[in-house]
Amino acid sequence: QSVLTQPPSASGTPGQRVTISCSGGSSNIVSNYVDWYQQLPGTAPKLLIYRNDQRPSGVPGRFSGSKSGTSASLAISGLRSEDEADYYCATWDDSLGGQVFGGGTKLTVL
Amino acid sequence: QVTLKESGPALVKPTQTLTLTCSFSGFSLSTSGMRVNWIRQPPGKALEWLARIGWDDAKLYTTSLKTRLTISKDTSKNQVVLTMTDMDPVDTATYYCARSYSTYGSDYWGQGTLVTVSS
Repeated sequence: QSVLTQPPSASGTPGQRVTISCSGGSSNIVSNYVDWYQQLPGTAPKLLIYRNDQRPSGVPGRFSGSKSGTSASLAISGLRSEDEADYYCATWDDSLGGQVFGGGTKLTVL
Repeated sequence: QVTLKESGPALVKPTQTLTLTCSFSGFSLSTSGMRVNWIRQPPGKALEWLARIGWDDAKLYTTSLKTRLTISKDTSKNQVVLTMTDMDPVDTATYYCARSYSTYGSDYWGQGTLVTVSS
């Protein structure tokens, strides 16, 4: 049972906009930055968004992050087949004193 | 160029102690704000943060495994070592090390190493 709750799956067709939610609480999302990771099949996770809404260099502008209250979201616009992957949110939890990950969302591009 | 690579046994027996080494290059763990994390992922399951060590030698562990984990660093060798005692089949997972700097997320990851716990 993850501290951060994500929908197990999401889907969209090429060109569409998809959002993935990440729900937490006052000890984690509310008071700390949220990061997002993309994990392509058989590979290590890749940092997609840091500090809620910042993109590392090389990450396309199609990916964007936001945070409000106890939730965060990852939006992918102009969906492409290569976006098919697992997506994880992560943040610090002050009560646990450690990093926590969401359960992951498997994105399917139909 | 920043790289990290995990190494260790692919197979351990139940009750044994696992020792994993993260060898890295392209950054120094003595730089203020720098940290190395260990994260694992059981087959088909989600990521789980295990531990981290910082430039100041500050160590943090996930609460559920705190009694079984020890993290250490050798700055001169550019290595971070994680030991996990009393291994169990449920600890079967791919173990990753990842660099993080301040609150900028884990921006570089190793390829991961699969550890299977079986007799």
